[in-house]
Amino acid sequence: DAEITQSPRHKITETGRQVTLACHQTWNHNNMFWYRQDLGHGLRLIHYSYGVHDTNKGEVSDGYSVSRSNTEDLPLTLESAASSQTSVYFCASSGGTGSSYEQYFGPGTRLTVT
Amino acid sequence: AQSVTQLGSHVSVSEGALVLLRCNYSSSVPPYLFWYVQYPNQGLQLLLKYTSAATLVKGINGFEAEFKKSETSFHLTKPSAHMSDAAEYFCAVSGFGNEKLTFGTGTRLTIIP
Repeated sequence: DAEITQSPRHKITETGRQVTLACHQTWNHNNMFWYRQDLGHGLRLIHYSYGVHDTNKGEVSDGYSVSRSNTEDLPLTLESAASSQTSVYFCASSGGTGSSYEQYFGPGTRLTVT
Repeated sequence: AQSVTQLGSHVSVSEGALVLLRCNYSSSVPPYLFWYVQYPNQGLQLLLKYTSAATLVKGINGFEAEFKKSETSFHLTKPSAHMSDAAEYFCAVSGFGNEKLTFGTGTRLTIIP
């Protein structure tokens, strides 16, 4: 069955370190998204991609970057981790035109920055 | 521009009672609307979606939602709550031509035995 996976599931890092969170989908979806989930804020969009070599900033992109070199993967990099980036991160994908835009979510990565 | 407002961050209902979770949206284009459910320590799972077909949409686990354009609402209901319905529920909106979803802040549903 097609799925979307994230790794690691839990990560503890120190302030100032670079961290990369992996997202891999086997849906063959064009669109991929990264969100962070914080209490009282719901899900907020960090970055998204509509295809290989395409990336776009979401509403909370400062301090994060992504790159899309193939259809299956969209890694999220925290350039210099800050305590404010302690959160749960979700990756999602969708099929694009004709798919009614529903997104499929991974299980999440809980990141703690100390 | 799109936005979603979920009224009530916490809702408690007795087992067997009606579940009603409220969602109002704002969209400058015809909206697509979604309800997702999140169980503890899991990702979000699609419950149901409205994509401009029937206004009453049926989803998984006995949930349904009705799109009311005049009220800009898409409330989620279930006639009889079950203990397994305890979770967090998110309403989301996108619009034709815009594949990003905008999420509400979520409603935590507690079921009282």
